[in-house]
Amino acid sequence: QKEVEQNSGPLSVPEGAIASLNCTYSDRGSQSFFWYRQYSGKSPELIMSIYSNGDKEDGRFTAQLNKASQYVSLLIRDSQPSDSATYLCASKGLTGGGNKLTFGTGTQLKVEL
Amino acid sequence: NAGVTQTPKFQVLKTGQSMTLQCAQDMNHNSMYWYRQDPGMGLRLIYYSASEGTTDKGEVPNGYNVSRLNKREFSLRLESAAPSQTSVYFCASSEDGQGRVMDTQYFGPGTRLTVL
Repeated sequence: QKEVEQNSGPLSVPEGAIASLNCTYSDRGSQSFFWYRQYSGKSPELIMSIYSNGDKEDGRFTAQLNKASQYVSLLIRDSQPSDSATYLCASKGLTGGGNKLTFGTGTQLKVEL
Repeated sequence: NAGVTQTPKFQVLKTGQSMTLQCAQDMNHNSMYWYRQDPGMGLRLIYYSASEGTTDKGEVPNGYNVSRLNKREFSLRLESAAPSQTSVYFCASSEDGQGRVMDTQYFGPGTRLTVL
């Protein structure tokens, strides 16, 4: 069982809608979580990070964390075609060393005109 | 600042050949990482260096060696390339060598390697 699970998609949303990307994790020792955006052929780029239960907002992006349910999500409001990319969820915990991230396989988001 | 740089951008090898992937960062970060990314597998950690002078195995270290040359540079060597090592390789760095909760990793542009 992979430690970080994401639906591979593609998730298709119309322009202007809210895109909801979800991620579950199995290691209860995970302390912080990161969302990276990766355009095709490019490297991952950090979008949001969160370590406390609840919501964290940054512009059009909101990260949500529920440690009891071992669930992380990323909401993108007013989705734009430029948001079309693969979104990687990563967890960081104590298992195997505190510096290491464990990545999910990513969810492909398509924002349609 | 250039951030994290990697060379080369593309490489084609024949089975059995060797090569070294270079990575450098100019952010004065303590920790550096090598990942590979394959379709459907996500990013998998090959090796990492929490601080200058230390290296540790990640999830998929077989067939690779690393050298933390100094604080800026972290190289990945394939001694005898195999087709299974065809992948996109990313180097990353982060500030903290102590595993701080919100320590963030920043990625280089990647090297696309094909082994025939």
